[in-house]
Amino acid sequence: GQQLNQSPQSMFIQEGEDVSMNCTSSSIFNTWLWYKQDPGEGPVLLIALYKAGELTSNGRLTAQFGITRKDSFLNISASIPSDVGIYFCAGQKGSQGNLIFGKGTKLSVKP
Amino acid sequence: NAGVTQTPKFQVLKTGQSMTLQCAQDMNHEYMSWYRQDPGMGLRLIHYSVGAGITDQGEVPNGYNVSRSTTEDFPLRLLSAAPSQTSVYFCASRTRLAGGTGELFFGEGSRLTVL
Repeated sequence: GQQLNQSPQSMFIQEGEDVSMNCTSSSIFNTWLWYKQDPGEGPVLLIALYKAGELTSNGRLTAQFGITRKDSFLNISASIPSDVGIYFCAGQKGSQGNLIFGKGTKLSVKP
Repeated sequence: NAGVTQTPKFQVLKTGQSMTLQCAQDMNHEYMSWYRQDPGMGLRLIHYSVGAGITDQGEVPNGYNVSRSTTEDFPLRLLSAAPSQTSVYFCASRTRLAGGTGELFFGEGSRLTVL
């Protein structure tokens, strides 16, 4: 099936550091979304992107929709312990298409 | 608001047993779906539904059945459980209305172990 390549697979960082992760695809998507999953919970939407080149922030999080529509990245600035979790990118073709998820980036933050 | 509710949260089955994972949402969402999450594999779509009476297969449908008799409920049935179906299962829903964000709302997950 169709796949999104999400990297890195895991990150171990010190509190206060900035984090960057990205997703790439061989296909074009109309929507990119970034989710976070806390341990033992379901994923929750962080940021949704709808236009190529769009740059959107949500607090310390910033995400961008790549110009080619085949990639997206998520940055977290000044990480804190509660940023721990798994971050997933997801792409959607059209307004009613199923979401295709990346394999996730597991983030660990050392106080 | 309850959102998306899944039951049970934990279940242990023996190979060959059948069971149903329940999913209910109270947001009047037309679209409902089931994903499985396995380590290193991300979230993979099993089945989905765009409305009552309509279901379709996702990426990994084998061994699972679904039905959608009401807008609110979307149960997932394992017909004859196999160890390969040991996983965490998530139900998710969203609106299909024009102008919707495409955001999927997830339940808390059902952790299934097949021995």
